[in-house]
Amino acid sequence: KAGVTQTPRYLIKTRGQQVTLSCSPISGHRSVSWYQQTPGQGLQFLFEYFSETQRNKGNFPGRFSGRQFSNSRSEMNVSTLELGDSALYLCASSLALAGGPLETQYFGPGTRLLVL
Amino acid sequence: AQSVTQLGSHVSVSEGALVLLRCNYSSSVPPYLFWYVQYPNQGLQLLLKYTSAATLVKGINGFEAEFKKSETSFHLTKPSAHMSDAAEYFCAVTRTGANSKLTFGKGITLSVRP
Repeated sequence: KAGVTQTPRYLIKTRGQQVTLSCSPISGHRSVSWYQQTPGQGLQFLFEYFSETQRNKGNFPGRFSGRQFSNSRSEMNVSTLELGDSALYLCASSLALAGGPLETQYFGPGTRLLVL
Repeated sequence: AQSVTQLGSHVSVSEGALVLLRCNYSSSVPPYLFWYVQYPNQGLQLLLKYTSAATLVKGINGFEAEFKKSETSFHLTKPSAHMSDAAEYFCAVTRTGANSKLTFGKGITLSVRP
């Protein structure tokens, strides 16, 4: 079974631009979560989608948004990019909502975003 | 609210030596705990998880962790380090519920000396 795939793997943008990242979960998984990883802040939860609905949200500004499609694929969008948005963005999928021990999250390789 | 603390940012051991990576948690309700490993330029891979079934949890690649409620700890160990164990290790906590999410520690980089 194929793992979680994320595209693109690397991205360079300039301040003020917007960016869209894509995540395809493991086949049959309905929950997709997004995390931001930076050297300073570590791994931080962005949001979680299940059945096309945002079920959980972290403490990020409204410039960060996401959506999920009927096939469970998810996209996240960052508008008006800032230098501090440079990070590795990780997507994780699970069979159901990620709140619970049975719902192991499987991570993709991430998209590394550099904002200049 | 839940949190995890991973003491120290870097641990170095010799090949064949014991690996001990510490994780302490804080949770107002019974937690569920995880250890993930991240190799360079890769995503996170689950090593093991504690789901209250057994306090000693065995994971992949020879790693195990013991849940100690009295010490609020979930330390990761491996009897004999291998060069391929060099990576970054993250402890994470969550609880069951509709609004739960994984909260990660800062991570510990493990180096293995030949």
